[in-house]
Amino acid sequence: ETGVTQTPRHLVMGMTNKKSLKCEQHLGHNAMYWYKQSAKKPLELMFVYNFKEQTENNSVPSRFSPECPNSSHLFLHLHTLQPEDSALYLCASSPKLAGGTSSYNEQFFGPGTRLTVL
Amino acid sequence: GENVEQHPSTLSVQEGDSAVIKCTYSDSASNYFPWYKQELGKRPQLIIDIRSNVGEKKDQRIAVTLNKTAKHFSLHITETQPEDSAVYFCAASAGTASKLTFGTGTRLQVTL
Repeated sequence: ETGVTQTPRHLVMGMTNKKSLKCEQHLGHNAMYWYKQSAKKPLELMFVYNFKEQTENNSVPSRFSPECPNSSHLFLHLHTLQPEDSALYLCASSPKLAGGTSSYNEQFFGPGTRLTVL
Repeated sequence: GENVEQHPSTLSVQEGDSAVIKCTYSDSASNYFPWYKQELGKRPQLIIDIRSNVGEKKDQRIAVTLNKTAKHFSLHITETQPEDSAVYFCAASAGTASKLTFGTGTRLQVTL
């Protein structure tokens, strides 16, 4: 167990629904990330939070809205999604932001939420 | 921004053989290169990483090499076993940047 949990594990929603994905990390990390993983595509970074502050929004459509109330919790609020948004959404955390020569670059991933938009 | 290319997309080897996966990156400022393994239905997990101040790193049957001049790095798995079957992702991160840029992944199949 990596210490990063995600709920729900599976979600089916219609295009008019509103739902939220939850991520929680028990590792004492300061940085948290949302990734989208589609078939035959690389892991796409969506959002980065460092000490609860958003540091990166990778040109993500506004129908995805992140929230980070504290360093341990990260949410992804979903509304009026499209079928092409169906994917595995992965949360990750790291002790600090990646980069530099520090040893604290490893990102720990959660199990993901398999999202299907009908 | 950073662009990471990964080859091959699929790789099939017989048990006991070696497997090599190659990645190239575009940003010369990148200095951290991790490799993640994702088994079917499971989360990606770090298996090895290398920083730009070294050219090679080994951990039992896996090794990673880095050529900064050519901007490419490779994962080497020796004496492959069926449990090595998974999708492997390379990634690169630049100095003060916050993000990892991932390659498209290589599906490795180790056959008996």
